[in-house]
Amino acid sequence: AQSVTQPDIHITVSEGASLELRCNYSYGATPYLFWYVQSPGQGLQLLLKYFSGDTLVQGIKGFEAEFKRSQSSFNLRKPSVHWSDAAEYFCAVGAQGGSYIPTFGRGTSLIVHP
Amino acid sequence: EAQVTQNPRYLITVTGKKLTVTCSQNMNHEYMSWYRQDPGLGLRQIYYSMNVEVTDKGDVPEGYKVSRKEKRNFPLILESPSPNQTSLYFCASSQGDNPSYEQYFGPGTRLTVT
Repeated sequence: AQSVTQPDIHITVSEGASLELRCNYSYGATPYLFWYVQSPGQGLQLLLKYFSGDTLVQGIKGFEAEFKRSQSSFNLRKPSVHWSDAAEYFCAVGAQGGSYIPTFGRGTSLIVHP
Repeated sequence: EAQVTQNPRYLITVTGKKLTVTCSQNMNHEYMSWYRQDPGLGLRQIYYSMNVEVTDKGDVPEGYKVSRKEKRNFPLILESPSPNQTSLYFCASSQGDNPSYEQYFGPGTRLTVT
């Protein structure tokens, strides 16, 4: 079975600074990988996803993520954070070729200081 | 507008009083699922449905029931709620059970069982 680890519960950055949120997964084959964002009081919204091909994927709102097979990681990055990026971020993994029960990480709460 | 709706958004109830949380999607999606979100645990899948009259257990199905009589609706039923079911619940839908499909989430239902 697959698993996802988001090692950081909270991350605090200043507005305009760069951001990297960590995600490590465990799965025997190439997984489907996702990043979702949850703004306060809202449901989850897909930021980006990786299935195959180019390991650097671009998403909405200026986010990108890089799949590194050797490190079993799928870290989310943004070069310059805006105050509106303050939210909860979830990494998720899906299993290719099997029934679909995605596994979500515990989430990382992003705090943005002005 | 494509969306997943849930009702009610907030609910306070007492132990043992049956309740239903409704979920409806207007995207003609085949796949629907329910999650609960608890602090430090991320999202955990309760039940999912791959089509009308086809449902299956997720990771934490105990104490919950679902039904899928129509494609657009996927209600979550708590026959005898208990305090450990106090949580934030999300309904989600996607085109199918292929894990490559994006999931669309409802706004959430915050349930408190006293």
